[in-house]
Amino acid sequence: QVQLQESGPGLVKPSETLSLTCAVSGFALSRSYYWGWIRQPPGKGLEWIGTIHHSGTTFYNPSLKSRVTMSVDASKNQFSLNLSSVTAADTALYYCARLSGSDYSGFNYWGQGTLASVSS
Amino acid sequence: QSVLTQPPSVSGAPGQRVTISCTGSSSNIGAGYDVHWYQQLPGTAPKLLIYANNNRPSGVPDRFSGSRSGTSASLAITGLQAEDEADYYCQSYDSSLRQVFGGGTKLTVL
Repeated sequence: QVQLQESGPGLVKPSETLSLTCAVSGFALSRSYYWGWIRQPPGKGLEWIGTIHHSGTTFYNPSLKSRVTMSVDASKNQFSLNLSSVTAADTALYYCARLSGSDYSGFNYWGQGTLASVSS
Repeated sequence: QSVLTQPPSVSGAPGQRVTISCTGSSSNIGAGYDVHWYQQLPGTAPKLLIYANNNRPSGVPDRFSGSRSGTSASLAITGLQAEDEADYYCQSYDSSLRQVFGGGTKLTVL
């Protein structure tokens, strides 16, 4: 059973970098698939942040591209998200998820989400 | 403003049929990219409900069905139940933006 678990600081100051990690269990991340981050501001809809292939190739939302970096740590079976220069608009519930197949597929496994708040 | 447009809310009485639309453009749904649907119950992560337009993952009741035509897609729920009350999102691939979601639709069971 594939499981994903997000972790992060919870509170980040404006202009700093938000760093989140998604630990994967039940599947070796290095084997295959695309892995992604999606966020949901309080009371709002879902926004795709980016996707990383098991090979390390990354794809980012154009609106966030200048501030986003994603990476894979195969030895720990986890992948990470760094979002720089955060503002209050980046306050959201951040989910990690796995695409079920190609880059055109849906996300069939999700973490429970981790809330990241931006405040001084 | 989401790339995929959904109605903010729909409602129906128990037992009824409701549909939720998802309207895109020639760079996403109209280009032939698959549409996927998610159900998000209050306080939980989204759950894949329909994938590749009209396919149900194991465990999803056949009361849920999807379709795609032109630049739009629809999710239909028949035999509405109280437990179906949730937010529903469509998702597709866009040739410029990659992964895109609809703004979400809140389903209220009257």
